[in-house]
Amino acid sequence: DVKVTQSSRYLVKRTGEKVFLECVQDMDHENMFWYRQDPGLGLRLIYFSYDVKMKEKGDIPEGYSVSREKKERFSLILESASTNQTSMYLCASSFRTGSNQPQHFGDGTRLSIL
Amino acid sequence: AQSVAQPEDQVNVAEGNPLTVKCTYSVSGNPYLFWYVQYPNRGLQFLLKYITGDNLVKGSYGFEAEFNKSQTSFHLKKPSALVSDSALYFCAVRDLNSGGYQKVTFGIGTKLQVIP
Repeated sequence: DVKVTQSSRYLVKRTGEKVFLECVQDMDHENMFWYRQDPGLGLRLIYFSYDVKMKEKGDIPEGYSVSREKKERFSLILESASTNQTSMYLCASSFRTGSNQPQHFGDGTRLSIL
Repeated sequence: AQSVAQPEDQVNVAEGNPLTVKCTYSVSGNPYLFWYVQYPNRGLQFLLKYITGDNLVKGSYGFEAEFNKSQTSFHLKKPSALVSDSALYFCAVRDLNSGGYQKVTFGIGTKLQVIP
C-alpha cells in the first residue's frame, strides 16, 4: 500500500513565522501535490511537482513556496505566516503525469496561525 | 477549463436504504472521473474511477458509480447504506484533452450522514 506521511498532524505558529510542512511518500511516485482544504471551498491546489527540483504553481500559490530535493520528499513553506493561512493542508502523490492513476493522500496537517 | 459540481452539501439516508451522492462535470474533451472519501481527521481515500469502457464502475466498500455522458454526470451509489459510510465524499475530474500538466479538479464535497 502507498503511504504518504505528513510530519505533523497539528501545528500552531505565530503570524510572521516561517513555517515548514513536510511530506514523504514511499512508492517512488513522480508527482507530488500540496492542497489546502477549507469548508465550503473543497480542495485547492497550491503547488505540485512532477520531478525532483521541478515545481509548478497551482491555483493559490501566493504566500507559499515548495522544495523537492529528493523524489520522495516534498516540502511546503509558508514564507511569512498569516492568519488567513490557517487551514488543513493535504499532501498527495501519484504516478507520472498523463497516467490515469489516482492520487494518494496523507492524513493532513491542521495548521493554526495565531 | 474543467469543473465539477456537487450540488448537495449534505445527504441524509437511513441505514439499509440505497444512497446516491451526485456529481456533474464539465470538460472540453473526454474525462477521467474519480470519487474519494474522507473520514474525520484523515486524508482522502480513493474509492473508484472511470476512465473508459463500462458506464457502471465498481469500487471499494460496495460503492459504485454510473457515468452518463449525455448528462455529464458521475453519481456515486450504494445499494444499502451503513452507518460507517458516514463521511465526506469528493468527486474529481481530469480533462484528457488539456495540454501540459493534467490537473485534477475536486468538487467541494458532500457530507453523507447515515442514520441508524
